[in-house]
Amino acid sequence: DAEITQSPRHKITETGRQVTLACHQTWNHNNMFWYRQDLGHGLRLIHYSYGVHDTNKGEVSDGYSVSRSNTEDLPLTLESAASSQTSVYFCASSDDQDPYNEQFFGPGTRLTVL
Amino acid sequence: GQSLEQPSEVTAVEGAIVQINCTYQTSGFYGLSWYQQHDGGAPTFLSYNALDGLEETGRFSSFLSRSDSYGYLLLQELQMKDSASYFCAWATGNQFYFGTGTSLTVIP
Repeated sequence: DAEITQSPRHKITETGRQVTLACHQTWNHNNMFWYRQDLGHGLRLIHYSYGVHDTNKGEVSDGYSVSRSNTEDLPLTLESAASSQTSVYFCASSDDQDPYNEQFFGPGTRLTVL
Repeated sequence: GQSLEQPSEVTAVEGAIVQINCTYQTSGFYGLSWYQQHDGGAPTFLSYNALDGLEETGRFSSFLSRSDSYGYLLLQELQMKDSASYFCAWATGNQFYFGTGTSLTVIP
């Protein structure tokens, strides 16, 4: 069955370190998204991609970057982790016809920055 | 700016019907979606309205009125497993925004 996976599921890091969160989907979707979820804010869009070599900034992109070298993967990098980036991170994907219709979410990565 | 408003908490009785409202303020609008999330797990898609009117999927229905900048999710025949957080989300051309969520508690 097609799926979307994230790794690691839990990560503890220190302020200033570079961190990369992995997202891998087997739906063959061109559209992929990264969100963060914090209490009181719901989910907020960080970056998204409509296809290989395409990346776009979301609502809260500062301090984050993504790259898309193939259809299956969209890794999220925190260039220099800050305590404000402690959050739960969700990756999602959707098909071509309507990128904002049904999005399939991964299980999430809980990141703690000390 | 952009904003989505929905009630923070709703309690309803098993077997009853509950409506969760969502109002939005935005300079652009593409469609309104609803997602369910149990205990911080992965959000799961429930419905999407690109046009005005009612969309029905089993026990769940969603409604959109663009002229009123308003939508709602209707859950019928409530079950205990429906206790979860429900998020409305709207899309503009290149952005996707989620509301802060409504925590639904279903009681016996």
